This record gives sequence, structure tokens and C-alpha cells, in this order.
Amino acid sequence: AQSVAQPEDQVNVAEGNPLTVKCTYSVSGNPYLFWYVQYPNRGLQFLLKYITGDNLVKGSYGFEAEFNKSQTSFHLKKPSALVSDSALYFCAVRALSSNTGKLIFGQGTTLQVKP
Amino acid sequence: DSGVTQTPKHLITATGQRVTLRCSPRSGDLSVYWYQQSLDQGLQFLIQYYNGEERAKGNILERFSAQQFPDLHSELNLSSLELGDSALYFCASSVAGGARWGEQFFGPGTRLTVL
Repeated sequence: AQSVAQPEDQVNVAEGNPLTVKCTYSVSGNPYLFWYVQYPNRGLQFLLKYITGDNLVKGSYGFEAEFNKSQTSFHLKKPSALVSDSALYFCAVRALSSNTGKLIFGQGTTLQVKP
Repeated sequence: DSGVTQTPKHLITATGQRVTLRCSPRSGDLSVYWYQQSLDQGLQFLIQYYNGEERAKGNILERFSAQQFPDLHSELNLSSLELGDSALYFCASSVAGGARWGEQFFGPGTRLTVL
């Protein structure tokens, strides 16, 4: 069965410092991985994805993620955090069945960036 | 704005009642997904439709049903409601291919409160 784990419920970081939000996955075969962000009272917004190719993926709002096959990880990173980055972040893996594009989400990590 | 619309934004109802949640996907997107977000279960996939046909089913209760109409809008019907059905229900849509393959575009959600 496919699954995604986000080991931290909350990450706290000071504005201007680098941030990392961790994600590990469990799939058989090649994974298709995604990061989404949810601001309060809003829907999820797509940040970035890894399908194939370069292990370092760049996305929206200065975020990037590194795919590491040996560690089965897909950590989200940003070199310099902003207060406005404070939100709930979800890592997700796409189901491998060719018949569906459903996403399996991690539990989410709340990012708190303090001024 | 993702281009996915959901109505209503909020719904308050009583146990045992039936409600219908409506979703309009982005123009041209054939796939519609329904997800439930709750504090204890996290973000769970419920069901997917593709061009009017059911494509995949997730953790959807038998009391819940959905359909996608010829104009591609979708409705999620929840019946015999219980307190535990209180949650945020998201609809998402996706393209079949191209550069944005795999990405899902989420609506703002319908917050259901069962009293």
C-alpha cells in the first residue's frame, strides 16, 4: 500500500532562516510526489511536483523539494522563510494505478514563521 | 483562484438529514475528485469521476454517493448524516495530460457542520 508520512506536526522557524518540512513515502515502483499548501479557510494550492528527471524540483513562491530515492524522502525547502509562508503543508503521492489520479496525503505539517 | 468552484461554502444541518454539495471543475478538466478533511482523519480521498464515469473509490461511506453530469459538474450527496460527518469537503479537478499532468486544482471547500 502507498503511504506518505510527515513526521513533524509543526515546524517553527524565524523569518529569514532556511526552512525544511519533511516528507517520506512508501510506494512500490516510481513515485509521483507533490507538495500542497493550505492557508486558513482556503483550499489547497499546488506548490511543486516530482514526476521524473532532476531530483531538485523548483516550485511556486521560492519553494523547492529534493527527491531522494534511497531515503524515500521528498523534503520541502526554502532558503529564506517569510512570515507569509506560515500555513499548513501537505505532501502527497499519486496512486500508481493507471486508472486514477487520486492523491494520498500525509497528515500535514503546520509551518510557523516568526518575525 | 484555482478555477474550481464549490457551493455552498458553509452548511449546517441536523443528524439524520441529507445534503448535496456541488462542484464545478475548471473549464476543460474532465476529472473531478472529492476529498474529506477532518481533524482526526486528515485529508482523505473519497471518489473520482472522469467524464461522467466513476473512476476510483476511496474511503467513501455507503451513505455517501456522487455523480458527474454531462456538463462535468459534480455533486456529492451525504445522507443519514452523523455528527462525525462534520468536516471540510473539497472538490478538485485535473487535466488529462500536458505540462500540468498530475496536478489537482482544489476548490475552496464546503464546511459541513452536523448538529
